[in-house]
Amino acid sequence: AQSVTQPDIHITVSEGASLELRCNYSYGATPYLFWYVQSPGQGLQLLLKYFSGDTLVQGIKGFEAEFKRSQSSFNLRKPSVHWSDAAEYFCAVSISNFGNEKLTFGTGTRLTIIP
Amino acid sequence: GAGVSQSPSNKVTEKGKDVELRCDPISGHTALYWYRQSLGQGLEFLIYFQGNSAPDKSGLPSDRFSAERTGGSVSTLTIQRTQQEDSAVYLCASSSRGRSDTQYFGPGTRLTVL
Repeated sequence: AQSVTQPDIHITVSEGASLELRCNYSYGATPYLFWYVQSPGQGLQLLLKYFSGDTLVQGIKGFEAEFKRSQSSFNLRKPSVHWSDAAEYFCAVSISNFGNEKLTFGTGTRLTIIP
Repeated sequence: GAGVSQSPSNKVTEKGKDVELRCDPISGHTALYWYRQSLGQGLEFLIYFQGNSAPDKSGLPSDRFSAERTGGSVSTLTIQRTQQEDSAVYLCASSSRGRSDTQYFGPGTRLTVL
């Protein structure tokens, strides 16, 4: 079965510093990959997604992610974080299972920003 | 346009009672999903509706959980004889078609079972 691993439960970075959140997936073929963000008390908002083509994808709020097939990874990056980026980040994969389009999520990474 | 809406936003119930959670998807979206977010289990898929096809119920944790989608739009998730372990945030999402499209999430219903 497919799985998603986010090895970092909690990350703290200084405002203005760069950020990289790790995501690894397990699946036999190329999955569809997503990053969602969840602010406190809010629903999930899509940051970016990868289906095919260019392995570097740009998202909202200045985020980008790179798909690396050889490493089964889809890490999220931002060159300079803002205090408003403090939230929980979820990597997810979508595969087709008899037509099912469900998302399988990682356990999330909580991002804290310090001044 | 309007996003996915869910009601109620919070629900507190007593163990053993039945609860109904409602989801209004984005207009025109044919696919609707229910997920559960809890401290112990993270984000879990529960059930998926796609058009007029039979729903995929493979994620429902027990037969106390059921869901229906009326008229291809509004969906209701019902939990019978609630247990404390059912306490979680229940999230609904919708998308315009299958695998390659984005799922848009509602704000969730926080269920607390006392």
